[in-house]
Amino acid sequence: EPEVTQTPSHQVTQMGQEVILRCVPISNHLYFYWYRQILGQKVEFLVSFYNNEISEKSEIFDDQFSVERPDGSNFTLKIRSTKLEDSAMYFCASRIAGTGNEKLFFGSGTQLSVL
Amino acid sequence: AQSVSQHNHHVILSEAASLELGCNYSYGGTVNLFWYVQYPGQHLQLLLKYFSGDPLVKGIKGFEAEFIKSKFSFNLRKPSVQWSDTAEYFCAVNGDGGFKTIFGAGTRLFVKA
Repeated sequence: EPEVTQTPSHQVTQMGQEVILRCVPISNHLYFYWYRQILGQKVEFLVSFYNNEISEKSEIFDDQFSVERPDGSNFTLKIRSTKLEDSAMYFCASRIAGTGNEKLFFGSGTQLSVL
Repeated sequence: AQSVSQHNHHVILSEAASLELGCNYSYGGTVNLFWYVQYPGQHLQLLLKYFSGDPLVKGIKGFEAEFIKSKFSFNLRKPSVQWSDTAEYFCAVNGDGGFKTIFGAGTRLFVKA
């Protein structure tokens, strides 16, 4: 089965630094997502991306966050100035086009630790 | 607003016991419902999904879920669990045509061998 790949698997950064989390969605997928899971808490939606623009975002996704699909294969999440509370597992997901009932394929996640 | 509630945060069962994990959702329109599983150290995987038709949905590894529209529920069941079912289980919902999928808080299942 095709996979969504994420790099790095673990990122450690200092508070205030910028980080970029990288994802390679499945090649024929058109919808891309970022979710995060703070330790012990639920999986939270951050943002969805379709047709080269953000289609929906949550209240978590403030001005510190941005997403980009720079080259047609990668899908990145940038956090401009990390805070301690940004420490979480960040999951990228993708799916094919459709009405929304298609399953999401998730990457294995990037564990972000902000010190 | 969409929301998903999972009733149990932690469940401990012995092998061969039956499993039922509760999930209730809140959404005003047509919904698509999912159960995802996250095994220790692995990424989220789809167990099963419902979007129309037979409200009793069968998924992988012997799991099934029943959509009861009148109760806004989508409970996950398995007649006889195995040690390898130890994982965290997430109920999720999105609206027909919606972009985002909302997850419940998850239920950690531990199966004693």
